[in-house]
Amino acid sequence: DTGVSQDPRHKITKRGQNVTFRCDPISEHNRLYWYRQTLGQGPEFLTYFQNEAQLEKSRLLSDRFSAERPKGSFSTLEIQRTEQGDSAMYLCASSHTRDLQYEQFFGPGTRLTVL
Amino acid sequence: AQKVTQAQTEISVVEKEDVTLDCVYETRDTTYYLFWYKQPPSGELVFLIRRNSFDEQNEISGRYSWNFQKSTSSFNFTITASQVVDSAVYFCALSEAGSGGGADGLTFGKGTHLIIQP
Repeated sequence: DTGVSQDPRHKITKRGQNVTFRCDPISEHNRLYWYRQTLGQGPEFLTYFQNEAQLEKSRLLSDRFSAERPKGSFSTLEIQRTEQGDSAMYLCASSHTRDLQYEQFFGPGTRLTVL
Repeated sequence: AQKVTQAQTEISVVEKEDVTLDCVYETRDTTYYLFWYKQPPSGELVFLIRRNSFDEQNEISGRYSWNFQKSTSSFNFTITASQVVDSAVYFCALSEAGSGGGADGLTFGKGTHLIIQP
């Protein structure tokens, strides 16, 4: 399977703990996006990378959130000092700027539950 | 600021009926992209279509068709002869033109839950 993969698929943590999620994009895709989706809502954009460079960050991305894509391949999203409001599905997507459809391919998501 | 409004929270129709999902957007940009995505019960978002702001030509793909009207800032999606497999949540989304080509992050609407009853 050569789709976008995310790990873990589910994460349960206690308030105040740090968590880290990983996203592996489709091979050779130079863009990687992070979104957050809560129940009954559409995904909310958090940030995106082109290769290693973080090109855009949403105002939703508080100081407790940090994302990296050090080698331009996989990416990690870390949430420090988790709060109950961080409970959501965290979605990763990738695309290539050569793709004239600008299609973002989404992964299955990591469901975070903060107790 | 960008905004996408999908006023229909849920639509339920009987199989074989035609159904239209509404999408209204707001943006100050002159160049932007509009998208529709499908989220079936399995959860993964599936790309359906993208339109450029400068291309108002309507598009048809099988039973799916899209009507883009800049004058009313709308990008509506019609499914003809609906089928049970069309049951899903459908999202309309908007993006600015990104630097270096491609699209920036997407601004999604809240989605329309479409239920097709047999």
